[in-house]
Amino acid sequence: SQQGEEDPQALSIQEGENATMNCSYKTSINNLQWYRQNSGRGLVHLILIRSNEREKHSGRLRVTLDTSKKSSSLLITASRAADTASYFCATDTGNQFYFGTGTSLTVIP
Amino acid sequence: DGGITQSPKYLFRKEGQNVTLSCEQNLNHDAMYWYRQDPGQGLRLIYYSQIVNDFQKGDIAEGYSVSREKKESFPLTVTSAQKNPTAFYLCASLGQGRTEAFFGQGTRLTVV
Repeated sequence: SQQGEEDPQALSIQEGENATMNCSYKTSINNLQWYRQNSGRGLVHLILIRSNEREKHSGRLRVTLDTSKKSSSLLITASRAADTASYFCATDTGNQFYFGTGTSLTVIP
Repeated sequence: DGGITQSPKYLFRKEGQNVTLSCEQNLNHDAMYWYRQDPGQGLRLIYYSQIVNDFQKGDIAEGYSVSREKKESFPLTVTSAQKNPTAFYLCASLGQGRTEAFFGQGTRLTVV
């Protein structure tokens, strides 16, 4: 399987804390994207980082990419209860589009 | 409004039946994808299509079939050969720039 892996599988934090989740993948990529999924729904795009970029910011989101280690991290700062969801990384090879196993984030008010 | 629509939202299948899940998009996207998601799991790629009349197997294509006769439509058939079809199925499309995948709301298939 080409599916990437994320860790931790589950993360529980207090509101206001930062949440960090990591993604490892297996193949060379054109870009890596992060998505959010609320229970039983489709996924929603959060942020994209291209293979020649090392870091990207969008609002409270910070993404890093290390292509030599085939890994990425997503940092959500100042978390809110509404951030409770599952988060997935997706790798685009230009042909196939694979998702990781996901991190379930719970933010406790 | 542009978007991607999956139907039905819930589907029940009897043992030995084939069922077809619909996926339609009006985003003018070339690439479309089908994923399967089991409870607490990630998304596994079933089939994908980069262009009309062409599609490729993903990691778990056995027991599934697809067609891509129109750019807007990418239906998935779950055949009787799929021994454990109960899952949540998600369809997605990617535009030419491949910067963002758009998802339908999913179809939850249950074998009864």
